[in-house]
Amino acid sequence: EPEVTQTPSHQVTQMGQEVILRCVPISNHLYFYWYRQILGQKVEFLVSFYNNEISEKSEIFDDQFSVERPDGSNFTLKIRSTKLEDSAMYFCANSGVSWETQYFGPGTRLLVL
Amino acid sequence: AQKVTQAQTEISVVEKEDVTLDCVYETRDTTYYLFWYKQPPSGELVFLIRRNSFDEQNEISGRYSWNFQKSTSSFNFTITASQVVDSAVYFCALSEPLNQGGKLIFGQGTELSVKP
Repeated sequence: EPEVTQTPSHQVTQMGQEVILRCVPISNHLYFYWYRQILGQKVEFLVSFYNNEISEKSEIFDDQFSVERPDGSNFTLKIRSTKLEDSAMYFCANSGVSWETQYFGPGTRLLVL
Repeated sequence: AQKVTQAQTEISVVEKEDVTLDCVYETRDTTYYLFWYKQPPSGELVFLIRRNSFDEQNEISGRYSWNFQKSTSSFNFTITASQVVDSAVYFCALSEPLNQGGKLIFGQGTELSVKP
């Protein structure tokens, strides 16, 4: 069964450093999402991406965040200058068509020191 | 604005008990989808079920069943004869329409602990 993969599974970084989180979606899926979950809290939407552009972004997704599909397969989330409060689990999700089920990757646990 | 409320923060049961997880949602849209996801201790989010707003039939899948009542804006999840492996955090989620981005709005989650 096809699945979403994410790398790395864990990342520790120093405050102010740039991080890139990578996701390999299920092939032929068209809609891509990033969510994050601060430890012990609910899952929060960050950004949706379709047809090589952002469809919607949340208040959390400020100028420090960016997304792209550099090679048509991987889907990346970049945080330019990490803050302590960026420490969270980051999930990639994708769906075939909008309103189909969103399938989630296993997550990247980011720790900013 | 869309909102999902899971009032039960934690539930603890003994194996073989039945347990119901509550979910109440708010939306002004007439067409929407509702979901349940399971997050085991390992951290991944596992899809359990999707229900669209036009289908109020209850659904049963093995020990799992879901009760969707549009009149009360609720989408409750029942586990029959619970097992230790059911221990996890369960999230209810509401999907926004495509013209609003299609994102999922999650509830706070209910942590279920099933003790042997």
